[in-house]
Amino acid sequence: KAGVTQTPRYLIKTRGQQVTLSCSPISGHRSVSWYQQTPGQGLQFLFEYFSETQRNKGNFPGRFSGRQFSNSRSEMNVSTLELGDSALYLCASSYGQGANEQFFGPGTRLTVL
Amino acid sequence: AQKITQTQPGMFVQEKEAVTLDCTYDTSDPSYGLFWYKQPSSGEMIFLIYQGSYDQQNATEGRYSLNFQKARKSANLVISASQLGDSAMYFCASFYNFNKFYFGSGTKLNVKP
Repeated sequence: KAGVTQTPRYLIKTRGQQVTLSCSPISGHRSVSWYQQTPGQGLQFLFEYFSETQRNKGNFPGRFSGRQFSNSRSEMNVSTLELGDSALYLCASSYGQGANEQFFGPGTRLTVL
Repeated sequence: AQKITQTQPGMFVQEKEAVTLDCTYDTSDPSYGLFWYKQPSSGEMIFLIYQGSYDQQNATEGRYSLNFQKARKSANLVISASQLGDSAMYFCASFYNFNKFYFGSGTKLNVKP
């Protein structure tokens, strides 16, 4: 069974641009969560989608948004990029909402110049 | 809210020896899950072990075991017979209230040959 995939793996953008990251969960998994990881703040929860609906949201500004499609694939969008948005963005999938175990993808490393 | 504390930012262990990575959590919720993840330099988060708050016995997965002391609110990870490939960041995480994951700041483990 294929694991969680994230594309692209690396991305370089400039301030003010927007970016879209993609996550394909493990087949059969319906929940997708997104995290931001930075050296200073550690791992922070962004949001979680289940059956195309956002179920939980972390404390991030409205520039961070996401969506989930009917095939459970999810996208995360960041608009008006800031230097502080440079981070590793991790996506995790689980079978259902409230599932015990999350499987993480390899992450997308975003650099904002 | 849940809070996860990992007090050891970095640790060294000799190859083939056992090592304990500390984790304490703070919650008033009676139902929760505790996880340990390994993050190599490649960035991918690898699930290691899970302990449910109602589990009577400590979880074990191969060389990994979780020393769960509920009264002390601690969930230490024990790695037996350390290998060079165990060198990585290790994160303790808690889960409650339907996919709200909280991560500790991590412990960087270095295994010496």
